[in-house]
Amino acid sequence: DTEVTQTPKHLVMGMTNKKSLKCEQHMGHRAMYWYKQKAKKPPELMFVYSYEKLSINESVPSRFSPECPNSSLLNLHLHALQPEDSALYLCASSPFRIGRGSYEQYFGPGTRLTVT
Amino acid sequence: AQKVTQAQTEISVVEKEDVTLDCVYETRDTTYYLFWYKQPPSGELVFLIRRNSFDEQNEISGRYSWNFQKSTSSFNFTITASQVVDSAVYFCALSERRAGANSKLTFGKGITLSVRP
Repeated sequence: DTEVTQTPKHLVMGMTNKKSLKCEQHMGHRAMYWYKQKAKKPPELMFVYSYEKLSINESVPSRFSPECPNSSLLNLHLHALQPEDSALYLCASSPFRIGRGSYEQYFGPGTRLTVT
Repeated sequence: AQKVTQAQTEISVVEKEDVTLDCVYETRDTTYYLFWYKQPPSGELVFLIRRNSFDEQNEISGRYSWNFQKSTSSFNFTITASQVVDSAVYFCALSERRAGANSKLTFGKGITLSVRP
């Protein structure tokens, strides 16, 4: 089973709202990722968690707040977003072995976010 | 710094034609990994292949084949007898190996492939 699930599929929120995106995987992967993808562009890395600890933050604005409550779940909390934050938000997971190289990432279907 | 160049932006073919998607990369690392992903209109990125820098064997999987040439820093992807379901955006990506930390994927800009019936 190489499935990563994401909810919701679509989200429309106002600039004063607080919402959360959820990602789940049951492949035993210990690395999880958040990406942002604008139309006709490649995904841009936002955050990386390895063994439930934040290992990479790509200078993402604080209005995006990640959380990894356990090895299967990854959340992205959203607050006071701007219209330019409208995008497809992708979650991914991969096996992770320290010092053992880079493994393929498995992506979820994404959440299409519209900020009004 | 790493870089992935997919010079082709859009390709349109008729069903059953063969098509090759080009990928050229730059890295200073001696150990690195190359990937191809497919992104259909639904949005999900589908992993297709991972190749280590020390393994230059070409690979075939059904109608898909990959040609890795370190001498030219290329990792090209060929679809034989294309089908309408192959219509998607295809990304080539590069990752260096880092001990003790996650390696980041550097994506190319993607190639939009349209296969017409």
